[in-house]
Amino acid sequence: KAGVTQTPRYLIKTRGQQVTLSCSPISGHRSVSWYQQTPGQGLQFLFEYFSETQRNKGNFPGRFSGRQFSNSRSEMNVSTLELGDSALYLCASSLFGGVAPADTQYFGPGTRLTVL
Amino acid sequence: GDSVTQMEGPVTLSEEAFLTINCTYTATGYPSLFWYVQYPGEGLQLLLKATKADDKGSNKGFEATYRKETTSFHLEKGSVQVSDSAVYFCALSDQEAGKSTFGDGTTLTVKP
Repeated sequence: KAGVTQTPRYLIKTRGQQVTLSCSPISGHRSVSWYQQTPGQGLQFLFEYFSETQRNKGNFPGRFSGRQFSNSRSEMNVSTLELGDSALYLCASSLFGGVAPADTQYFGPGTRLTVL
Repeated sequence: GDSVTQMEGPVTLSEEAFLTINCTYTATGYPSLFWYVQYPGEGLQLLLKATKADDKGSNKGFEATYRKETTSFHLEKGSVQVSDSAVYFCALSDQEAGKSTFGDGTTLTVKP
């Protein structure tokens, strides 16, 4: 089975721009979660989508949004970029959301976003 | 809310040394516990997991036991190798909260 793929792997943007990141989950997985990883804050949960519906959301401003398509692929959008948005954005897929005892999240390689 | 506290790093060991990375957690329900490993430039990979009290997860010589009485899930390996150099994350998934919570990560460097 192919793993979780994320595109692009690297992005450089300037303040005020917007960006869209893409995540393709493992075939058959219906849940996609997004995380922001920074040296100072560690791994922070952004949101989780299951069957095209946002099920859970972390404590991030409304500039961070996402969606999921019928094929379970997910996109994350960040509008009006700030310097502090520079981070590695990771997505993880699972069958049910990774919270059921038998379920596990599988992570993609991440998209490294640099905001100048 | 849920939280995971990991032993602060970085940790530097010589090859074949014994490794322990401490992890304690706070959760309202009965979470599943995980250790993930992240190599430079890559995403997180699941190393091992345990889904209930007293379960032991093991993989690639690493092991961790779910201790409910001490709310801990310490990672151990008897003899580390240079290739084990990476960042290790302890995490829990809480069915009630509907999400996963990660520790801050511990950087391990193994020297030949």
